[in-house]
Amino acid sequence: KAGVTQTPRYLIKTRGQQVTLSCSPISGHRSVSWYQQTPGQGLQFLFEYFSETQRNKGNFPGRFSGRQFSNSRSEMNVSTLELGDSALYLCASSIQGDTQYFGPGTRLTVL
Amino acid sequence: AQTVTQSQPEMSVQEAETVTLSCTYDTSESDYYLFWYKQPPSRQMILVIRQEAYKQQNATENRFSVNFQKAAKSFSLKISDSQLGDAAMYFCAYTPPGGGADGLTFGKGTHLIIQP
Repeated sequence: KAGVTQTPRYLIKTRGQQVTLSCSPISGHRSVSWYQQTPGQGLQFLFEYFSETQRNKGNFPGRFSGRQFSNSRSEMNVSTLELGDSALYLCASSIQGDTQYFGPGTRLTVL
Repeated sequence: AQTVTQSQPEMSVQEAETVTLSCTYDTSESDYYLFWYKQPPSRQMILVIRQEAYKQQNATENRFSVNFQKAAKSFSLKISDSQLGDAAMYFCAYTPPGGGADGLTFGKGTHLIIQP
């Protein structure tokens, strides 16, 4: 089976812009979770989507949003980018939400 | 809220030797999953091993094995016959069955260095 894919792999944006990241899960996986990884805060949970519904959400501002499509692919959007949003964004897929398999990540740099 | 603690920010081991990475966690749940993930310089998070709390038998995957002590809430990873390719950040993670409201809860990681 193909693994989790994320696009794009690298992004450079400026403050105030918005960005959309994409994640395609492993075939048959209905749960997609997103994480932010920074040197200072480590790995933090953003949200989880299951069967097109947001099932859980971490402690992030409303500028961070996401959605999931009927084919389980997921997108994450960050509006009004801030310097502190520079991070590695990791997507993970799973069958039910517990054992998660990660994609290669999208490295976002905000200038 | 659950917490995961990795007390060793960095470990170093000679190639072909054995190393043990420590992890403790705190939860009031009786059923849950524990994981070790490896993150090499490529930054891809790779699942190394998984342990289900209701299983008493320690999980093993080739050179990787765990010592799961449920009462002590301890979950250590042993890497036997260390190889240069094992050099990476290792993260311990916890989640209840079906995932949880907080997704995977990660420790801060242990940087493993393999000395040739």
